[in-house]
Amino acid sequence: DAKTTQPTSMDCAEGRAANLPCNHSTISGNEYVYWYRQIHSQGPQYIIHGLKNNETNEMASLIITEDRKSSTLILPHATLRDTAVYYCIVSAGTSGTYKYIFGTGTRLKVLA
Amino acid sequence: NAGVMQNPRHLVRRRGQEARLRCSPMKGHSHVYWYRQLPEEGLKFMVYLQKENIIDESGMPKERFSAEFPKEGPSILRIQQVVRGDSAAYFCASSPIGGGQNQPQHFGDGTRLSIL
Repeated sequence: DAKTTQPTSMDCAEGRAANLPCNHSTISGNEYVYWYRQIHSQGPQYIIHGLKNNETNEMASLIITEDRKSSTLILPHATLRDTAVYYCIVSAGTSGTYKYIFGTGTRLKVLA
Repeated sequence: NAGVMQNPRHLVRRRGQEARLRCSPMKGHSHVYWYRQLPEEGLKFMVYLQKENIIDESGMPKERFSAEFPKEGPSILRIQQVVRGDSAAYFCASSPIGGGQNQPQHFGDGTRLSIL
């Protein structure tokens, strides 16, 4: 089972910030939080990841709570092309394996 | 998704035939992962390989499925005697040498397998 829970769907107006939450209350101290998105039936696209500090890159920002039990992905100015399913993943598995366990993700629809 | 190459993009097989799916990881990556995605579902982990070694196959069905990642050439996911339930999108991902928890996986665009 996935170690994360996300809302099933969200809408966001074009040009506004999209804030996608994720709960990972059972995260271990050495596990990272990764965010990917999947547009139509393409392969998942890497967005950002972090351990405990907030992170920012050209695509998005990642805010991780101090207790690390939840995080929020922020798309600062959503466009129609950001419509996709967004997956929050906590790296899982026993030592030496770094498989991802995907949940059902959040289906983000950006509205014109 | 540039970098991880999967082929073919679409594959049609009749029940009982064999399916071979290929994955060439990004340059410099020696860790390969295979995932399967059924319609309207998330990706499910199948197998994790390093060059010439299977590290974790906990998600692989016990029968008919096998995977390899030889010293030279692409990783291959092989499905023997395919059945209708094997119809799915199969994604490959790769990560760098010594990939650990700070090394994100990069995915290809998948192979869509359809069983007639």
